[in-house]
Amino acid sequence: GAGVSQSPRYKVAKRGQDVALRCDPISGHVSLFWYQQALGQGPEFLTYFQNEAQLDKSGLPSDRFFAERPEGSVSTLKIQRTQQEDSAVYLCASSLFREQPQHFGDGTRLSIL
Amino acid sequence: QKEVEQDPGPLSVPEGAIVSLNCTYSNSAFQYFMWYRQYSRKGPELLMYTYSSGNKEDGRFTAQVDKSSKYISLFIRDSQPSDSATYLCAMSATGGGNKLTFGTGTQLKVEL
Repeated sequence: GAGVSQSPRYKVAKRGQDVALRCDPISGHVSLFWYQQALGQGPEFLTYFQNEAQLDKSGLPSDRFFAERPEGSVSTLKIQRTQQEDSAVYLCASSLFREQPQHFGDGTRLSIL
Repeated sequence: QKEVEQDPGPLSVPEGAIVSLNCTYSNSAFQYFMWYRQYSRKGPELLMYTYSSGNKEDGRFTAQVDKSSKYISLFIRDSQPSDSATYLCAMSATGGGNKLTFGTGTQLKVEL
């Protein structure tokens, strides 16, 4: 596709449920990033992939958060046993390779009830 | 204290005005500086990407970086109502493809 695609756009879940968020990066982009954006704040880094390798997961807030990119293209961010504080917009970004600027999708808006 | 500080606004200006948006940072390892525009319920859109101190111009937008003062700016000339959005500064230590550290974002409204 022409840009980074994320699905679903909106997700509502009850506290304690597991959720999975999908990211389709721009075709051919090697680097893929996940960010979390709270209301009224700038995005905060969660994790980084180069192809299928997860090279940095220092931003994941707890072990309930897990990300994968098994074939080096589509990525999934999974949150287990969701909590209310997980409510945020989850943004995915990709870049052609590490030194190139990142291009963002429109995000998944997650609400935990 | 956050690594990147940005006045959240809101900033309201009349159409045609020159807008100045600014960020300061504390991490001297930052080498790459970006400005993103974010409309409501959309993802950040890259506006400017710069490396090292100096100016970069693209149409109505000019980005300035002063590494000695750890200060970056974005100027918008002849502002339009369509420029109304949140503007995010972002920076990284080893290139745009490394993890970005963002400011809070400045909310801009350009009034007719």
